Amino acid sequence: AQTVTQSQPEMSVQEAETVTLSCTYDTSESDYYLFWYKQPPSRQMILVIRQEAYKQQNATENRFSVNFQKAAKSFSLKISDSQLGDAAMYFCAYRSGLSRNTPLVFGKGTRLSVIA
Amino acid sequence: SAVISQKPSRDICQRGTSLTIQCQVDSQVTMMFWYRQQPGQSLTLIATANQGSEATYESGFVIDKFPISRPNLTFSTLTVSNMSPEDSSIYLCSVDNSLNTEAFFGQGTRLTVV
Repeated sequence: AQTVTQSQPEMSVQEAETVTLSCTYDTSESDYYLFWYKQPPSRQMILVIRQEAYKQQNATENRFSVNFQKAAKSFSLKISDSQLGDAAMYFCAYRSGLSRNTPLVFGKGTRLSVIA
Repeated sequence: SAVISQKPSRDICQRGTSLTIQCQVDSQVTMMFWYRQQPGQSLTLIATANQGSEATYESGFVIDKFPISRPNLTFSTLTVSNMSPEDSSIYLCSVDNSLNTEAFFGQGTRLTVV
C-alpha cells in the first residue's frame, strides 16, 4: 500500500519570505500523481499544485513550485513571497495512475503560519 | 472542474441519533469518495460510492455505521448512524475530474456529537 509522510507538523514563515514543506511517499508503482492541497479554516480543500510522475519538469503555479525527486520519492512544496492568506493546513497526497477512479492517500498535514 | 454542494455545513447532534450528509455534483461522475477528518488529523477514506452498486468500504468502516446511497451519477449521501462523541469529525465528499488527474471536494460537514 502507498503511504505519504509529512514530517513537519507545523511550520512558520515571515510574510514575503520563502518556505518549503516536505513530503515523502512510498510506492512500487511507476505511474502516479502527486498533489499538494491547502485547507484553510473554512475546511475547503483547495488544490495548490499537481505533478505527474512521468514528467521530469517540476510543476509551478505562480508562487508555488515543487521539487519532485522521483528516485528519492520526495515531493516538496516551495511557497515564495509568502502571504497572510497562505496560512492553512497543507496536505501532500498521492494517487495511483494505474487505474481510473482511485482515491487519494493523504499525509498527516503541515500547519503553516504566516507571520506579519 | 466540478462544483460540489455539500450539506449541511455543520451540525450538532445528540448521541444515539443519525445524520445524513448530502453531496450534489454539477456534472455526472462515476465515483464519489467519502472521507473523514478527525480533529487535527488528516483525511481518511471511508468508502467509495459507485452508481448502481453497493459502496466499497475501507478497513475500519462498516455499512451499518456509515450507510451510503448513490441513486444517480450526480448525488450521494452518507449517513452517520447511532452517533457517539467519537464520530465528531469533518466529513468530506470528493469526485474526480474527467481525466482522473484531480480531485474536487465539497465544503465539508463539521459534525459535533454531544
